[in-house]
Amino acid sequence: DSGVTQTPKHLITATGQRVTLRCSPRSGDLSVYWYQQSLDQGLQFLIQYYNGEERAKGNILERFSAQQFPDLHSELNLSSLELGDSALYFCASTPYNHGAEAFFGQGTRLTVV
Amino acid sequence: GENVEQHPSTLSVQEGDSAVIKCTYSDSASNYFPWYKQELGKRPQLIIDIRSNVGEKKDQRIAVTLNKTAKHFSLHITETQPEDSAVYFCAALTQGGSEKLVFGKGTKLTVNP
Repeated sequence: DSGVTQTPKHLITATGQRVTLRCSPRSGDLSVYWYQQSLDQGLQFLIQYYNGEERAKGNILERFSAQQFPDLHSELNLSSLELGDSALYFCASTPYNHGAEAFFGQGTRLTVV
Repeated sequence: GENVEQHPSTLSVQEGDSAVIKCTYSDSASNYFPWYKQELGKRPQLIIDIRSNVGEKKDQRIAVTLNKTAKHFSLHITETQPEDSAVYFCAALTQGGSEKLVFGKGTKLTVNP
């Protein structure tokens, strides 16, 4: 077990729908990062939260949003889903307010049909 | 924006040979460079990292070198084994605007028995 917990593991949904991906960071980690990994693509940075506040934003679509709650878990909300949103979504956590020693969860595989 | 280029995209070696993967980064203020290994269907795992105040770091069969002047860093795997087969990602912690980990597109390493 990696210590970073992501749920669900798999998600199949239709175009136009909205889904929520959940991430619980390792105990003691304050930062949560979200990454998107499409087929044969690298890891695209979406957004970072540190201790409840948004710290950095990457190429995150306006249809996507995220938040980090007081208990430090984070949720990534994806709405008006398109076929191209099908991907692996990873959450990573680190004790720091930057990305050093980021520890990844097992990912959520989203399939939009 | 911040960018990390990684080469080659695929690499095939014979068991026992060495493998070298190279990355260049654009943000001269970057100060942390991790390498992640991702096996098929699994999460990226941190295998080694280097900070900008050192030029080389070694951990058993893997080593990373950093040339800050040229803005490039490399992963060296010696005495490769079939279980080294995976996709390897380099990353740089960029400083511009907000600190975030930017990944290269990955190198698929195949070690042939």
